[in-house]
Amino acid sequence: KQEVTQIPAALSVPEGENLVLNCSFTDSAIYNLQWFRQDPGKGLTSLLLIQSSQREQTSGRLNASLDKSSGRSTLYIAASQPGDSATYLCAVSFSGSARQLTFGSGTQLTVLP
Amino acid sequence: ETGVTQTPRHLVMGMTNKKSLKCEQHLGHNAMYWYKQSAKKPLELMFVYNFKEQTENNSVPSRFSPECPNSSHLFLHLHTLQPEDSALYLCASSQDLPGANYGYTFGSGTRLTVV
Repeated sequence: KQEVTQIPAALSVPEGENLVLNCSFTDSAIYNLQWFRQDPGKGLTSLLLIQSSQREQTSGRLNASLDKSSGRSTLYIAASQPGDSATYLCAVSFSGSARQLTFGSGTQLTVLP
Repeated sequence: ETGVTQTPRHLVMGMTNKKSLKCEQHLGHNAMYWYKQSAKKPLELMFVYNFKEQTENNSVPSRFSPECPNSSHLFLHLHTLQPEDSALYLCASSQDLPGANYGYTFGSGTRLTVV
């Protein structure tokens, strides 16, 4: 069964700290991996999309890496701010799944002022 | 707004009611999806449409009935729901064609409460 796991489930850090969120997946045959942010009770906002041929993507203070062979991705957030507080979701499009997304359970991030 | 619009934002319905959720995308995408997000559970794929044709029904009970009249609009018709169907229902779209990046865009969701 193709699964996506995110660790930790929750994380609390002081403002200004650099942090890393982890995502692992069970099958290295993927189309792409996408990181989303979800605020409480709201929809998903796409942060970064990494194609299977890419190793990383960057947007502002965010950097996402992809290591297909080990089935891992990390989302690095630099100089965290209270406004970064949200749930971060990792989603993988596995090959053979008609490019449908399989989601992890998310990491709930709290950045303390 | 992300380019995917869902209405209503909130819905409370009784178990004998019939209601519909609406999703509209203005991104020119050809694929649209319904996801269900329950408390403490990962997002669950419900239905997939590609060029108006349903390509996936993820063992969803028949009390949920999707409709896709064109590539820009997607509906989820609800009838005789159960309290455990209360959840956030999310619509998404993507460009599922060779050469596209296949990235998903999500709407803001409909918070459904069944009483």
